[in-house]
Amino acid sequence: KNEVEQSPQNLTAQEGEFITINCSYSVGISALHWLQQHPGGGIVSLFMLSSGKKKHGRLIATINIQEKHSSLHITASHPRDSAVYICAVSISSGSARQLTFGSGTQLTVLP
Amino acid sequence: DTGVSQDPRHKITKRGQNVTFRCDPISEHNRLYWYRQTLGQGPEFLTYFQNEAQLEKSRLLSDRFSAERPKGSFSTLEIQRTEQGDSAMYLCASSLSNSGNTIYFGEGSWLTVV
Repeated sequence: KNEVEQSPQNLTAQEGEFITINCSYSVGISALHWLQQHPGGGIVSLFMLSSGKKKHGRLIATINIQEKHSSLHITASHPRDSAVYICAVSISSGSARQLTFGSGTQLTVLP
Repeated sequence: DTGVSQDPRHKITKRGQNVTFRCDPISEHNRLYWYRQTLGQGPEFLTYFQNEAQLEKSRLLSDRFSAERPKGSFSTLEIQRTEQGDSAMYLCASSLSNSGNTIYFGEGSWLTVV
């Protein structure tokens, strides 16, 4: 079992729809990251959070530490939001400072 | 642009050849990370530097792989005697040492071994 699981793996939505991507993890973490990866590879960090909720524009990220679960929401989705969204965690045990990544959610927003 | 930059962006090489990738982190960032990503998967950690010291290496980093950060600024990742299984995107990222700081990623270097 992967330490970071995302769902769904693929998501197709119509422009304007509200989108939710989920991330569950099985280890103790110091922080959770939501990342966006466009075709060609470049990764952009959207959020880093360790508790509660953060909002940036149409993007909202929440985390429930007790349930080991985070969600990324996109309101009023647009075709330019089409990308792979990756959840990654900074594991708090030991000396690990690297991120452990989920396998990503491919989002396609149709006009 | 003062983001993380990687070079080359794409490399096609024959099996058995050596390749080297370079990463220039954001200038004040003392932490530098290398990740590998294969198609349809999330990135996997390879190695991590704090300044010039290589502090952690993944089991994925076989003896054909070596990474350096000689002056604590740019880093190189060399793969010797490349194999087809090395075909992947190699991502570099950097951050400040405060664990609350965001990690910034480069665009990645695509390697195809033929």
